Amino acid sequence: DAKTTQPPSMDCAEGRAANLPCNHSTISGNEYVYWYRQIHSQGPQYIIHGLKNNETNEMASLIITEDRKSSTLILPHATLRDTAVYYCIVRVDYGQNFVFGPGTRLSVLP
Amino acid sequence: NAGVMQNPRHLVRRRGQEARLRCSPMKGHSHVYWYRQLPEEGLKFMVYLQKENIIDESGMPKERFSAEFPKEGPSILRIQQVVRGDSAAYFCASSLSGNSNQPQHFGDGTRLSIL
Repeated sequence: DAKTTQPPSMDCAEGRAANLPCNHSTISGNEYVYWYRQIHSQGPQYIIHGLKNNETNEMASLIITEDRKSSTLILPHATLRDTAVYYCIVRVDYGQNFVFGPGTRLSVLP
Repeated sequence: NAGVMQNPRHLVRRRGQEARLRCSPMKGHSHVYWYRQLPEEGLKFMVYLQKENIIDESGMPKERFSAEFPKEGPSILRIQQVVRGDSAAYFCASSLSGNSNQPQHFGDGTRLSIL
């Protein structure tokens, strides 16, 4: 597995964009970058994933650098309900399980 | 569409008893993964199953733990002779296929407490 590095915690003001960084400098060409979040006492929630190109869905945008060594998850208008632990994971190989690191604890402040 | 359903949500057992955790994957999903989360820790992979087959059980303890995913019915994670250290949240995830481009979708877990 390529390892990922994320800041342990971040704060964001409600209504502002939350930009969560992730470093994956040892990523290989066929590894996807996935983002999940876990709100207290719930199961991890899938947010978005990508390989090379930037991706956007109804929840977030994923920006992957051209060299693919880092990425940023963007929540465009953070709300209090976005307070959670966010996990950046890289994945390769058929059937491979996800390896969850400590993630980033995002606190959205009123 | 119903998501991944796990039951029970909470399970209390005394030391030495058996615990059975059930997971119904999302409709159309035939790949199931089980993870365990100890208090204040991240999720750790336990086992990956495809209908009637165990594909990868490298994260599952060799003793007392077993998993199955029969042709009909939910996937079952079974813990025999439970001990205090088995207290944790157990999450199940399912995916459409095992391809790396397919996300896993998680249930809300079973919280197992051992008295």
